[in-house]
Parts: sequence; C-alpha cells; structure tokens
Amino acid sequence: AQSVTQPDIHITVSEGASLELRCNYSYGATPYLFWYVQSPGQGLQLLLKYFSGDTLVQGIKGFEAEFKRSQSSFNLRKPSVHWSDAAEYFCAVGARAAGNKLTFGGGTRVLVKP
Amino acid sequence: EPEVTQTPSHQVTQMGQEVILRCVPISNHLYFYWYRQILGQKVEFLVSFYNNEISEKSEIFDDQFSVERPDGSNFTLKIRSTKLEDSAMYFCARKGNYGYTFGSGTRLTVV
Repeated sequence: AQSVTQPDIHITVSEGASLELRCNYSYGATPYLFWYVQSPGQGLQLLLKYFSGDTLVQGIKGFEAEFKRSQSSFNLRKPSVHWSDAAEYFCAVGARAAGNKLTFGGGTRVLVKP
Repeated sequence: EPEVTQTPSHQVTQMGQEVILRCVPISNHLYFYWYRQILGQKVEFLVSFYNNEISEKSEIFDDQFSVERPDGSNFTLKIRSTKLEDSAMYFCARKGNYGYTFGSGTRLTVV
C-alpha cells in the first residue's frame, strides 16, 4: 500500500527566506508524485508533479521539487517566500496503474513572518 | 485543462437527512474520484469511479455513501443519512493527461 509522510506539521519562515518542505513516500515502484497547496477554506491547487524524466521539477509560483529515489523523498523548495505563500501544503503519491487514487500526506502548514 | 466545478460550495443539513453533492468534471474523462477532508486533517480517499462503475473504495465509503454519473457529465456523491462526523470538505477530482484536477470543494456541515 502506498503512504506519504510529511514530518513537519508547522513551519514558520520569514518573508524572503528560503523554504523546504519534506515529503517521504512508501511505494513499491516508481510513483507519480505531486505537491498541492491549499489556502484556508479553499480547494487544492496543483503546484507541480513528477511523472518521469528529470528529477528536478519546476512548478508554479516559483516552487520546485526534487525526486530522490534512494531516499524515497520528494521535497518541495522555494528560494524566497512571499507572504502569499502562507498556506497548507500537501504531498501526494499515486501509482502508475491507470485510474489509481492519490494518497495524501498529513500536510505542512506554512506561516510567513513579515 | 478545464476546471472541475462543484455545487453547492457550502451545505448545512440536519443529522439523518440525505445530501447530494454534485461535480461537473467534463464528460470526456474516464476516471473520477471523491475525497474528504475533515477540518484540520488530511485529505482522504473515498471512492474512484471508472467507466460508470466504482473501481475502488475506501473503508470510509460504507453503505450510506453512493456515487452516480446520472447524465454523462455530472458526477454525484450521495450520503443517505448524514451523521455529525460526516461534516467535512468533500472534493471531487478527475484524472486527465496532466494529472489529477480537484474541484474547489463542498463544505458539508451536519447539525
């Protein structure tokens, strides 16, 4: 069974500082990997995804993530956060089988200090 | 890719009542999903729907839940007799060429 762990429940970062959110997954083969962002009371917006190929993927809003097979990780990074990046971030894993569901991590809430 | 539209955005219902949550995911996709997010918790898979049939369901998806695609474009989740613990945000999603697209959700409040 697939599973996702986001070790950090909360992260507080100063505006302009760098941000890294950790994600570890468990899956028997190479998975599809996703990062979603959710603002309070809102839906899930896709930041980026990894299917295959280059292990460093670029997403929207200046985010990037790196797939490391040896560490079963897919950490999300942003070099310089903006106040508007305050939100909850979810990592998710999906199997390559057609139609397979996504399994989400518990989320990391990011607070941005002025 | 086109968005997924969910209605209503917020529904309040009395315990024991039936509710129907609606999703318009665009008709030329095959795979659809419902997920649930209880306030402050993670997003949980409920059910996947492929070619007009349930292809997988979680243990949360018990007999009080059902899904339908009544007219080829709408996709509904019905909760027959709501309980307080059904209060949550419910997300519809579809799978396309670019991954999974989620709707903006329906916040269900059971009182």
